[in-house]
Amino acid sequence: ETGVTQTPRHLVMGMTNKKSLKCEQHLGHNAMYWYKQSAKKPLELMFVYSLEERVENNSVPSRFSPECPNSSHLFLHLHTLQPEDSALYLCASSQDWRQGHTEAFFGQGTRLTVV
Amino acid sequence: AQKVTQAQTEISVVEKEDVTLDCVYETRDTTYYLFWYKQPPSGELVFLIRRNSFDEQNEISGRYSWNFQKSTSSFNFTITASQVVDSAVYFCALHSGGYNKLIFGAGTRLAVHP
Repeated sequence: ETGVTQTPRHLVMGMTNKKSLKCEQHLGHNAMYWYKQSAKKPLELMFVYSLEERVENNSVPSRFSPECPNSSHLFLHLHTLQPEDSALYLCASSQDWRQGHTEAFFGQGTRLTVV
Repeated sequence: AQKVTQAQTEISVVEKEDVTLDCVYETRDTTYYLFWYKQPPSGELVFLIRRNSFDEQNEISGRYSWNFQKSTSSFNFTITASQVVDSAVYFCALHSGGYNKLIFGAGTRLAVHP
């Protein structure tokens, strides 16, 4: 398997549930990202991990909790979400910017609906 | 401040027409990278091109061409002889500064009709 793979593709969860989104990359990259894409809004960067260390957290509510156990895997743990958190969550990977070639490669996303 | 503006929200064309998608960026850095991504209905963003700030040569790849003009801070994307399969949302993005961070424009939705 190649590229960036996200699971699940679709998720419906209640506001009291706890769930996790998973991302796996097979590109040998050392930086991984979570983006949120809501209807009619620009892509929002949520978290960045580089060399397995979180380097950016764009004021994301604590009900979103990222985890990067190694350079190939990235998780987004979700709990007590709100309906406005319904969106497409995209994972991406790239080489760390210090190594150049900063283009990011994206997964197909998880379409999350909070009910 | 870093910013990417895609003023065209939606464009509709008929197959075989040429179409240009506009992108204007803002950055104070002298070294930066510009990108175009395509997002088909399936959801994933597909990388199309990367350009660094020191290379102003225009690029052509098949029916796709890109016009980078530093003087106007623009990085426009032209599709020649458009096809229905080109229907997607296209995003322009900027990477500058010492961070692993892409700044995306709002995207342009392109609809190509038979």
